[in-house]
Amino acid sequence: QMQLQESGPGLVKPSETLSLTCTVSGASITTNSYNWGWIRQPPGKGLEWIGNIYYSGKTYYNPSLKSRVTISVDTANNQFSLKLRSVSAADTAVYFCAPNPPGYCTGGTCYSGGWLDPWGQGILVTVSS
Amino acid sequence: AIQLTQSPSSLSGSVGDRVTITCRASQDISSALAWYQQKPGKAPKFLIYDASSLESGVPSRFSGSGSGTDFTLTISSLQPEDFATYYCQQFNDYPLTFGGGTRVEIK
Repeated sequence: QMQLQESGPGLVKPSETLSLTCTVSGASITTNSYNWGWIRQPPGKGLEWIGNIYYSGKTYYNPSLKSRVTISVDTANNQFSLKLRSVSAADTAVYFCAPNPPGYCTGGTCYSGGWLDPWGQGILVTVSS
Repeated sequence: AIQLTQSPSSLSGSVGDRVTITCRASQDISSALAWYQQKPGKAPKFLIYDASSLESGVPSRFSGSGSGTDFTLTISSLQPEDFATYYCQQFNDYPLTFGGGTRVEIK
């Protein structure tokens, strides 16, 4: 059974870089069955998808964050990572990682992405001096 | 980006009630929609994919329907453990986007 676990600092200073790691167990991160994704949720607010990485290294980023985000894969440790640069208080959120199927076609219709499952438990990152 | 609008933003219900949540997409997404349940302090739990397919292990009182731009999540008989916030998510195209959420509260 696949499980994911986020890790990293819970406090980051404004203008610095937020760095998080997601450790995958129960599946190989080099599988072609999943993209590996990051999602965040500011306190009391809704969910925002940050980006995906495929085992090949192909990435997809939310345009709203693209200029500040890098997602990478560490195959040796079965992990993938998130770096978000130049953070501000608006980046304070619970950060989740989750796999999602790559795009597929069914009944003549093709989808670019997929649903997110299972989710890690999440890690609260606060941006404050 | 494809916008998803959920309604209502919150609702109150009693155990045993039938509850319906709607999710409207800003453009045709075919059946590329998923639903999640989230309880306070927890990660979202995946419920439904392809608009109407129930994930394994999810109680049959949950059902999804719709295609194109209009979708619904129905709970046929609300149970105490169903009080939570529900989100829709489209995967027709990048960026993946979520609805704003619907909080289901106890009346």
